Amino acid sequence: DAMVIQNPRYQVTQFGKPVTLSCSQTLNHNVMYWYQQKSSQAPKLLFHYYDKDFNNEADTPDNFQSRRPNTSFCFLDIRSPGLGDAAMYLCATSRGVGLAQDTQYFGPGTRLLVL
Amino acid sequence: GIQVEQSPPDLILQEGANSTLRCNFSDSVNNLQWFHQNPWGQLINLFYIPSGTKQNGRLSATTVATERYSLLYISSSQTTDSGVYFCAVFISSGSRLTFGEGTQLTVNP
Repeated sequence: DAMVIQNPRYQVTQFGKPVTLSCSQTLNHNVMYWYQQKSSQAPKLLFHYYDKDFNNEADTPDNFQSRRPNTSFCFLDIRSPGLGDAAMYLCATSRGVGLAQDTQYFGPGTRLLVL
Repeated sequence: GIQVEQSPPDLILQEGANSTLRCNFSDSVNNLQWFHQNPWGQLINLFYIPSGTKQNGRLSATTVATERYSLLYISSSQTTDSGVYFCAVFISSGSRLTFGEGTQLTVNP
């Protein structure tokens, strides 16, 4: 089945220690998104790639970076995790026929714990 | 920016009951999606419904774009329906999907 895959499902890191979360997709979608979701809140968009074009949200901290080496994979790098970065990180994809008309499909998420 | 309000914030049902969740939005939208976030955190697409009515099994949704609201109907609820239901919209002048705060649904056996 075509899907969005995130690994690992749970990630524990230490305060200040860089961590990378990964997302892969078999949908062959052009757009990949990273969202942060804190407890009892709605998902918040961090950034997205439209093919190779990177689009950062204005309020995304510099501590968060992303890489998309090919169509299938996208990574979220947190350079120096703080306690406030503990959250669920959700990857999503869409076809990219027109963002306003696109349906977004989400992966299962990676829950990050910062000690 | 656009405001997306969902009601009720919390809903507790007995198994077998019906429910209606509401999503109000403050601007014209090109895209409206309903999602179910299960207890393990995964967001599952329910409907892409910028206007009109759709049905999928026990779930159906209606969006009245001119009046800026959407409704999600759940009939004969089951315990597996528990979780958070999010409405998310995309406006023509925007560049991102904007989520409401969600409705937390608990279905008791």
